[in-house]
Amino acid sequence: AQSVTQLGSHVSVSEGALVLLRCNYSSSVPPYLFWYVQYPNQGLQLLLKYTSAATLVKGINGFEAEFKKSETSFHLTKPSAHMSDAAEYFCAVSEQWNYGQNFVFGPGTRLSVLP
Amino acid sequence: EAGVAQSPRYKIIEKRQSVAFWCNPISGHATLYWYQQILGQGPKLLIQFQNNGVVDDSQLPKDRFSAERLKGVDSTLKIQPAKLEDSAVYLCASSTSEGLDTEAFFGQGTRLTVV
Repeated sequence: AQSVTQLGSHVSVSEGALVLLRCNYSSSVPPYLFWYVQYPNQGLQLLLKYTSAATLVKGINGFEAEFKKSETSFHLTKPSAHMSDAAEYFCAVSEQWNYGQNFVFGPGTRLSVLP
Repeated sequence: EAGVAQSPRYKIIEKRQSVAFWCNPISGHATLYWYQQILGQGPKLLIQFQNNGVVDDSQLPKDRFSAERLKGVDSTLKIQPAKLEDSAVYLCASSTSEGLDTEAFFGQGTRLTVV
């Protein structure tokens, strides 16, 4: 089974500063990777996904992520943080599992944006 | 397009009581997932359905948890009897599962508190 690690359970940035959320995966095959965001008392919403078409993936709300095979990483970035970006962010990998598609999630990173 | 619907949003029960959650996936989505999200952790798969059949229930505590998707559309997840450690958010998700690059769409979740 594949696994996902997210370095830093809590990241704080100032409004307007760069956001960098880290994700590393373990996979013996080319991975399908996803970033989801979860606002308080809400479900998960897809930010972006990597499907091997391009290593730099652009998502919603100004977020993007770069797939680096040599580093087994898929870090999420945003050039300028907004207060509305405060949320929990989850990296996930999709794998074939028991004849179905399974999503394995990392533990999440809580992003705080300071005024 | 309507999203994944879940009810109730919140539930508080005493230990040893029973509880049921309901999920209606996006129309046309063959795959339905139930995830358990304990506070501070990423979602963990409990059970996955493909239409009305179970694809994976290896992580479902079958002595107390049960789930069904009788007509291949909506689904119910039941806990009987509940334990304190069952306190969590229960997320339902659905997907077309057309490939490993297909994303899952999540409902808002049901927050269960067992006291």
